[in-house]
Amino acid sequence: QKEVEQDPGPLSVPEGAIVSLNCTYSNSAFQYFMWYRQYSRKGPELLMYTYSSGNKEDGRFTAQVDKSSKYISLFIRDSQPSDSATYLCAMKGAGKSTFGDGTTLTVKP
Amino acid sequence: KAGVTQTPRYLIKTRGQQVTLSCSPISGHRSVSWYQQTPGQGLQFLFEYFSETQRNKGNFPGRFSGRQFSNSRSEMNVSTLELGDSALYLCASSVSGTASGTDTQYFGPGTRLTVL
Repeated sequence: QKEVEQDPGPLSVPEGAIVSLNCTYSNSAFQYFMWYRQYSRKGPELLMYTYSSGNKEDGRFTAQVDKSSKYISLFIRDSQPSDSATYLCAMKGAGKSTFGDGTTLTVKP
Repeated sequence: KAGVTQTPRYLIKTRGQQVTLSCSPISGHRSVSWYQQTPGQGLQFLFEYFSETQRNKGNFPGRFSGRQFSNSRSEMNVSTLELGDSALYLCASSVSGTASGTDTQYFGPGTRLTVL
């Protein structure tokens, strides 16, 4: 079983929708949680970074962490076609970073 | 500040050959990590170098090796290529690496390797 499981998708939503992307993890050593966005033929870019349970907001993006349930989410409000990409969750702890397999999101105009 | 650069961007090799990929980190970053990304396995950690020393290693065979130079530039080598080695190889740099929980990794655009 993988240490990090990410909802596989793909996900297709109309422009303006609220998007929810989710990951679960099993390793309690993970203390830091990240979301990356990866456009086609590009490397991942860091979107959100958090290390505590609760919500962190940055513009249209909200990262949510529930350490007791070992569950993290990324919410995108008012989604735009430019948000179409693959989203990767990542977790760091015990000297390593582990990534989810990614969820591909398409936002249709 | 210039981002992480990787060369070459695309590479085609045949089975049995070897390949060397290069990564130049962001200026001032001393940690370089390498990842393999495939549709089936996602992003898999290969190894991390910090100040010319390998600090962490993932679960890959010995055919995969790397090194880091005094200017923090890093190379990754794959010997005796197999069809399954076809993937996007990503390099990520950071100031302190995985030893620091708050350190942030910045990824390069990757090298797409195709093994025929």
